[in-house]
This record gives sequence, structure tokens and C-alpha cells, in this order.
Amino acid sequence: GAGVSQSPRYKVAKRGQDVALRCDPISGHVSLFWYQQALGQGPEFLTYFQNEAQLDKSGLPSDRFFAERPEGSVSTLKIQRTQQEDSAVYLCASSLERVDNSPLHFGNGTRLTVT
Amino acid sequence: AQSVTQLDSQVPVFEEAPVELRCNYSSSVSVYLFWYVQYPNQGLQLLLKYLSGSTLVKSINGFEAEFNKSQTSFHLRKPSVHISDTAEYFCAVKYGGTDKLIFGTGTRLQVFP
Repeated sequence: GAGVSQSPRYKVAKRGQDVALRCDPISGHVSLFWYQQALGQGPEFLTYFQNEAQLDKSGLPSDRFFAERPEGSVSTLKIQRTQQEDSAVYLCASSLERVDNSPLHFGNGTRLTVT
Repeated sequence: AQSVTQLDSQVPVFEEAPVELRCNYSSSVSVYLFWYVQYPNQGLQLLLKYLSGSTLVKSINGFEAEFNKSQTSFHLRKPSVHISDTAEYFCAVKYGGTDKLIFGTGTRLQVFP
């Protein structure tokens, strides 16, 4: 596709449910990032992949959050036992190379609402 | 700690007036600076960036930003805004030796006719 694709666009989960958010980066992009954007806030870094390697997961807020990119393309962010504070827009972004050498392309995000 | 501060959460302005959106970052030897824009119901888009060289960088739609190392600032300016510039603007910094962008909290620019 032409851009970064995220699905679903909206997700409503009951507290305690597990959710899986999908990101299809631009074909050939090496770097992939996940960000969390709470209402009225800027995006907060969650985790970073270079190809299939997860190089930085320092932003994951708890061990309920897990991300993978097994074949170096599609990535999935999984949240187990969702809590209300997990409600946010989850953004995926990819870049051809390192961020300083090529721009970061963002998807439209998945809006997660935990009730 | 590495951080980015956008002092203004909202900036209302009339069409054709000048505007400045402020951005400051915590000091570091090596930084790369970015402005992203988010139009209503759209994803974040890169507006402009400073990597090295000339401290004044410009976008194709009339915005410009100047890297000021002594003041650790990267303010965004436009001499005459349009209604279509209404959007959320995010300043972001990549610190040397890291791969992630750190974003500010955003400034909502509202342009009135």
C-alpha cells in the first residue's frame, strides 16, 4: 500500500479483555515504532523494531504490553487484561532507514476504548 | 531527562496573521529536530526537520523553523496563516545515540476567518 496501515481503526474492549492491534508498514521499511497517544497529549514512545529485532521496549508501560514483528514487516501490539488507563490512540510508524536519515511515516492509529 | 516542551496548548489566530508555535527541548550535544502536523481525522505528517547545516529550515507550505542551540529552541513560524493550516502541531526531538523520537504535547493552531 501507499502508506502505513493500521487495523482495526477503532476497538472497544471490556476491562480484562485481551486486544491485538495490527500495523502494516510501508513495504521495505526497516524501522517500525509503536507510540501511545492519550487524549490531549503527544505521542509517547512504546517500542522500536529494526527489521524483526526489537531493539528498544523501554516505553512499554507494563508486562501486559507485548509487541512482535516476526518476519520484519507486519507488527502486532498485544495488550493483555486491558485496563481503563490503556484507553488511547495507538500509533504505528515506519521509516526506510534510521529516523535521522529518512522521515517517519505514521498510520492513522487505532483508537482503543476500554470500558 | 530528555524532554520536549511546547508551552502553548492552543493558539488562536486570524487568517493572514503571523504565528509562532514554541518548542524547547532539554539540552544535549546532539539533536535532530522535527515538526509534525496532524490535520483533523488524519495521521501525523512530517512538516519539516533539522538534521544539520543551515539552522533555518522551511516547508513547502510556507512554514519555517529555526534551530537555536543556545536557547535550545526550535520554534515554528509562518508569516501569514490560512484557514487550512488549522491542525495540531507536534515538535519532536531525536537525541544522538537513540533511535526514538520524543514528542511534545502538541499545540492546536486554530485559524479564524
